[in-house]
Amino acid sequence: GQQVMQIPQYQHVQEGEDFTTYCNSSTTLSNIQWYKQRPGGHPVFLIQLVKSGEVKKQKRLTFQFGEAKKNSSLHITATQTTDVGTYFCAGPSIKAAGNKLTFGGGTRVLVKP
Amino acid sequence: DGGITQSPKYLFRKEGQNVTLSCEQNLNHDAMYWYRQDPGQGLRLIYYSQIVNDFQKGDIAEGYSVSREKKESFPLTVTSAQKNPTAFYLCASGPGQAYGYTFGSGTRLTVV
Repeated sequence: GQQVMQIPQYQHVQEGEDFTTYCNSSTTLSNIQWYKQRPGGHPVFLIQLVKSGEVKKQKRLTFQFGEAKKNSSLHITATQTTDVGTYFCAGPSIKAAGNKLTFGGGTRVLVKP
Repeated sequence: DGGITQSPKYLFRKEGQNVTLSCEQNLNHDAMYWYRQDPGQGLRLIYYSQIVNDFQKGDIAEGYSVSREKKESFPLTVTSAQKNPTAFYLCASGPGQAYGYTFGSGTRLTVV
């Protein structure tokens, strides 16, 4: 079945630094979605990318969808303590019916002040 | 305000008991989903429903059951056949293709 992998599993970042987390799917995706889960909380939808090569920005967060629609990245600039949490990518395979998402294992972000 | 309500927030179950987790949404979404999250892990799909009176198994359906009698409600029963039920259970809903999910605040189930 479809598998979605995220690297790194953990990201320790000094406040103010930049970092990137990566997402790779074993199958071609119809779209890629990103979610953020704060410690003790539930996942919250951040953004969706649909087109091959698409890039979207949300303030300090930049999301990219790969040309083959099998990978994605999230880049955070000038990391702040509010960025702490786990970032999940998720996507429906183009072969899947409906919008059934397969989630990656997440990247857990810890920020050192 | 529209959203998804999961109850209870915390649930303790004795070995051999069935328990039912509630999930109600007032977002008028057609599709609803149940995911399981273990500590430090990602989300794994248990069951999903794209329309009332219809549902499909996800990747880890063994030991679980669901019903979808109303559009607003998608309860999950964790049966005694589930060997390791202690986990964080998340319910989500979505309006359909190519839209993000809205998650409930989750139920933490512990077997005692």
